[in-house]
Amino acid sequence: KQEVTQIPAALSVPEGENLVLNCSFTDSAIYNLQWFRQDPGKGLTSLLLIQSSQREQTSGRLNASLDKSSGRSTLYIAASQPGDSATYLCAVSGAGANSKLTFGKGITLSVRP
Amino acid sequence: DAMVIQNPRYQVTQFGKPVTLSCSQTLNHNVMYWYQQKSSQAPKLLFHYYDKDFNNEADTPDNFQSRRPNTSFCFLDIRSPGLGDAAMYLCATGEGSGTYNEQFFGPGTRLTVL
Repeated sequence: KQEVTQIPAALSVPEGENLVLNCSFTDSAIYNLQWFRQDPGKGLTSLLLIQSSQREQTSGRLNASLDKSSGRSTLYIAASQPGDSATYLCAVSGAGANSKLTFGKGITLSVRP
Repeated sequence: DAMVIQNPRYQVTQFGKPVTLSCSQTLNHNVMYWYQQKSSQAPKLLFHYYDKDFNNEADTPDNFQSRRPNTSFCFLDIRSPGLGDAAMYLCATGEGSGTYNEQFFGPGTRLTVL
């Protein structure tokens, strides 16, 4: 059974800091990995998707990497801003195109002005 | 803009009173998913439809049912809500095939059970 872990559960950083959010998963037989952002009381916004054959994806100040063999992914946020404050969840899709997503509990990020 | 829409955004019901949550999509995706997310927890898949094929997760309570009358709409029915069913309910869609199978989420419906 796939398990996804995100540690720590919460993180507070000053504005402008570069930071890394970690995600680990137990079964390396994944189809893809997605990083999501969730604002309080809201739905999920997809940030980046990495296919199992890829090593990283970039979008603006965000860079996500994937090391499938070790069961790890990182989300790098450059020059953090107060508007980046949210919960960041990673999720992996099992083998198979329409397989379900297994989520971590997320990391709640607070960027202090 | 193509999107996933959920109605209502907030739903209050009484213990045991049936409730229906709605999801619609303009993405024309084959797959529609329903997730339950409790406070500070990971979203948990309840079931999904691939076209008209219904796929129930093994641990989804019988109290939860779903209908997909056409490609665009999918409904979540909770037959007798209990206090433990209070949660955010998230609908998502995906192509179900192809290279990426990215999932796109709606804004969620926050369910309160009194």
